[in-house]
Amino acid sequence: DQQVKQNSPSLSVQEGRISILNCDYTNSMFDYFLWYKKYPAEGPTFLISISSIKDKNEDGRFTVFLNKSAKHLSLHIVPSQPGDSAVYFCAASGGLGSSNTGKLIFGQGTTLQVKP
Amino acid sequence: DAGITQSPRHKVTETGTPVTLRCHQTENHRYMYWYRQDPGHGLRLIHYSYGVKDTDKGEVSDGYSVSRSKTEDFLLTLESATSSQTSVYFCAISGGGQAFFGQGTRLTVV
Repeated sequence: DQQVKQNSPSLSVQEGRISILNCDYTNSMFDYFLWYKKYPAEGPTFLISISSIKDKNEDGRFTVFLNKSAKHLSLHIVPSQPGDSAVYFCAASGGLGSSNTGKLIFGQGTTLQVKP
Repeated sequence: DAGITQSPRHKVTETGTPVTLRCHQTENHRYMYWYRQDPGHGLRLIHYSYGVKDTDKGEVSDGYSVSRSKTEDFLLTLESATSSQTSVYFCAISGGGQAFFGQGTRLTVV
């Protein structure tokens, strides 16, 4: 029973255009969401996060949007660059409170290819 | 880079043999995790630790055990490896609201 879903296994975009990666979740107790990027033969690296009290968080070319009513979040990359080609994982957790163990529930991942 | 080292990086083992993967951190973080990555499943939590000798199960813990005798080391053991445990294993530590991952161990059970 997948609590975090990334329904698009792959995405291909042209360099300079916008990349939009989507993620859906089912557990309304999740209150902290993260995006990770993974290159082959490397561990995932943190990209950007958002708390459920916000609906948008921006960091340079990367913006994450959260729609709590739809239980949906998306990662926008503008402009896309060939070096952004990687697997992107969406993840969710129970938040930053003292009772949180930091466990993350991951989606299946989306492979982004940015063509020059 | 967060100070996380996994060993070995690659291993091939036979069905039925015990295997231990090691994760070593230099960050003194309380929480440590073992995940496995499989196509179509993303990363799934196997076990985690919230302190020395304090561990708990994740969503795919069957066939795995863990131990944490020191803050810096978190061991994952496959008591009797099976082909379904062929995977890439990642160790992670938690700090500042995010997890930092090691480079992974590719395990093949033949």
